[in-house]
Amino acid sequence: EDKVVQSPLSLVVHEGDTVTLNCSYEVTNFRSLLWYKQEKKAPTFLFMLTSSGIEKKSGRLSSILDKKELSSILNITATQTGDSAIYLCAVDNYGQNFVFGPGTRLSVLP
Amino acid sequence: DGGITQSPKYLFRKEGQNVTLSCEQNLNHDAMYWYRQDPGQGLRLIYYSQIVNDFQKGDIAEGYSVSREKKESFPLTVTSAQKNPTAFYLCASIPTGIFSGGYTFGSGTRLTVV
Repeated sequence: EDKVVQSPLSLVVHEGDTVTLNCSYEVTNFRSLLWYKQEKKAPTFLFMLTSSGIEKKSGRLSSILDKKELSSILNITATQTGDSAIYLCAVDNYGQNFVFGPGTRLSVLP
Repeated sequence: DGGITQSPKYLFRKEGQNVTLSCEQNLNHDAMYWYRQDPGQGLRLIYYSQIVNDFQKGDIAEGYSVSREKKESFPLTVTSAQKNPTAFYLCASIPTGIFSGGYTFGSGTRLTVV
């Protein structure tokens, strides 16, 4: 059965800290890995990663995929209170739907 | 603006009642999905549909039903057979046949059993 695991499940940091969120997967077929940010309601798309070793960057957020290790990391530098959210990792396994991990709940304290 | 609209935002269900959650999209997406979100469990797939008048069960379909009579609409009914329906429900869509990279999600419906 295809599976996506995220760690940590919960994280509390102070503004200005740098955080690294982890996602690992076990899937039969891999097409892409996606990161979403969920603040209150609808998850919003952050990154899609298909190739190993190529960093995707958006402002203070960046992400990279390691296909050898079957994993990805999401980095957030100089965190702000607005970064507080659940970060979801999902894998597109060429199936009918994406496989989601449990999410990492990030709390950034002022 | 294109998007997915879920309604209502909050819904309360009495024991033994069926309730229907609405999901409408104007993105012209072919595929639509219903996910359930519980704390610490991520998103679990309830039902999905890739074409009008066709839908498939997901991992946790028991106690739920859906219909897809129009491309734009994919309502979810939570029946009295669902014993633990209190959760956050998310509807999503994506165009099929295109490697677009991600779902578009609605804003969700929070269902509570009273």
